[in-house]
Parts: sequence; C-alpha cells; structure tokens
Amino acid sequence: AQTVTQSQPEMSVQEAETVTLSCTYDTSENNYYLFWYKQPPSRQMILVIRQEAYKQQNATENRFSVNFQKAAKSFSLKISDSQLGDTAMYFCAFMKPRGVTGGGNKLTFGTGTQLKVEL
Amino acid sequence: DAGITQSPRHKVTETGTPVTLRCHQTENHRYMYWYRQDPGHGLRLIHYSYGVKDTDKGEVSDGYSVSRSKTEDFLLTLESATSSQTSVYFCASGKASSGNTIYFGEGSWLTVV
Repeated sequence: AQTVTQSQPEMSVQEAETVTLSCTYDTSENNYYLFWYKQPPSRQMILVIRQEAYKQQNATENRFSVNFQKAAKSFSLKISDSQLGDTAMYFCAFMKPRGVTGGGNKLTFGTGTQLKVEL
Repeated sequence: DAGITQSPRHKVTETGTPVTLRCHQTENHRYMYWYRQDPGHGLRLIHYSYGVKDTDKGEVSDGYSVSRSKTEDFLLTLESATSSQTSVYFCASGKASSGNTIYFGEGSWLTVV
C-alpha cells in the first residue's frame, strides 16, 4: 500500500515571500501521479498542480511549482509571491492508475500542512 | 471545475438511524469516490466506483455501503449511524482521459448525536 507523509503540520510565510511545503511518499510502483490540493476555510478541495511520474520536467502553474525527485520519492510544492488568499490547508496526494488487474485510480492523501500567509 | 453536487450539505441525525448521502456529477466521469475528512487524518477513502454497479472498498469502509445504478449518481449509506461517523464527507469523480485528475464536491457535514 502507498503512504504519503507531510511532516509539517503548520507553516507560516510573509506576504510576497516564497514558501516550500514538503511531501514524501512510499510506493513500489513506477507509473503514478502526484497531486497537490488546496483546502481554504470554505473546505472546498481545489486542485493546485499535478505531476506524472514518467515526466522528468517539474510541473508549474503560475506561482505554484513542484520539485519532483522520483528516486528520493519526494514531491515538494513551492509557492512564490505568497498571497493572503493562499492561506489554506494543503494536501499532497498519490495515485496509481488503474491497470488491467484492477484497483488503482484512487487518491491516497497525506495529513496536510496548514499554511498561513501573514501581512 | 467539474459539476459535482452533494446532498444534503448538512445533516444531524441520531445514533442508530440510517443515513444516505447523494452525489451527482454531470461530467460523465467513470470513477466516483466517497472520502471522509477528520482532524489529523487528512482524507480517507471509504468506497469507490469504477463503473455502473462496479464498486470496491476503501481503507475505512466498515459501517458504510454504496450503490451506483447510473453513471452520474453515487450513493453512500450509513446503515446504522454511530458517533464515530460524525465527519465531513466528500464525493469526488474523475476519468482517465482528464489525466486521472479527481474533482471534489463541496462536502457534506454529518453529525451523529
């Protein structure tokens, strides 16, 4: 079974600064997907960024980028130019695609990192 | 964002009563999921479906059952609600052609008293 670990329960950052959230995972799979979801106080789960394991290039979405280290099984999220609206719980998640033997296509989540952006 | 709606959004029920949460999606997604969110645990998978009438258990399936008779609807039933099932429940859906991205509903707050 896959496991996802987020070792930072809480973090804070000053507005306009850069912050990095850590995530490690454990799997024996070679083909998989990794995601970061954001959950603001409204509790809505919002996809921030995704990464396919077969792609060496790190994914980026505007101010959000990842550092994907496949051998180290590490998937950190960098938020640049932090904004007050970035205050949220951030979840790292792992997915093994469904194969011919079934299973898969399920997200396994870490326990989350609560990020607070301060003035 | 995918059109995923959950009902009811808030419910208070008594211990021992049955409860059904409904999830409806308008995206023709093959896969649908029910997660629960509790402090310190992140989101944990209860049950999921990979097609009409095809369902399987997740990591916290005890006390829950599901049904999927149509592509767009996925029902979660608590046969006899207990206080430990007080939680926020999230429905989600996705398909492989969307890059395996999973989209979430807005959540259903269930309190069992």
